[in-house]
Amino acid sequence: EPEVTQTPSHQVTQMGQEVILRCVPISNHLYFYWYRQILGQKVEFLVSFYNNEISEKSEIFDDQFSVERPDGSNFTLKIRSTKLEDSAMYFCASSNSGPTVGETQYFGPGTRLLVL
Amino acid sequence: GENVEQHPSTLSVQEGDSAVIKCTYSDSASNYFPWYKQELGKRPQLIIDIRSNVGEKKDQRIAVTLNKTAKHFSLHITETQPEDSAVYFCAARPWGQNFVFGPGTRLSVLP
Repeated sequence: EPEVTQTPSHQVTQMGQEVILRCVPISNHLYFYWYRQILGQKVEFLVSFYNNEISEKSEIFDDQFSVERPDGSNFTLKIRSTKLEDSAMYFCASSNSGPTVGETQYFGPGTRLLVL
Repeated sequence: GENVEQHPSTLSVQEGDSAVIKCTYSDSASNYFPWYKQELGKRPQLIIDIRSNVGEKKDQRIAVTLNKTAKHFSLHITETQPEDSAVYFCAARPWGQNFVFGPGTRLSVLP
């Protein structure tokens, strides 16, 4: 069964550094998402992406964040200047139906980001 | 915007007993309610979902009920097994918008 994959599984960085989290969505999916989950807390929506542009973003997704689909398979999340509070698990998800009733979003295994 | 609350935050049951997790939502425009199971250190996985035009849905030992008037929905797990131990998240979504997740319930099934 196809799965969403993410790299790296863990990332440790210094505050102020840039990080790029990578995701490979399921190949025939067209809608892509990033979520974050601070340790012990709920999953929070960051951004959705369709047709090479952002569809929706949350208030968490400020100017420090950007997303890109650099080629036909990868979907990346960049944090330009990391802050301590960016430490979290970041999940990528994809779906083939978008925000319609009954949409199933498939989650990747996550990247655990630790900002020191 | 939508706000989802979830109770209890932790739940311990004996193996074989039933477990019930409840969620409430605030936006009456929400029309789709999935439940995700997240085992320790793993990705959230969809286990069951319900649409707003349905009151109940069942899949083997798992069922979900929805009360649109009261704006709450519940996950029911019968004959619990140790492998049911995980964190369960409910979510709600107004049409055309993105998911809002509840804070999660940590379920422990004791042998």
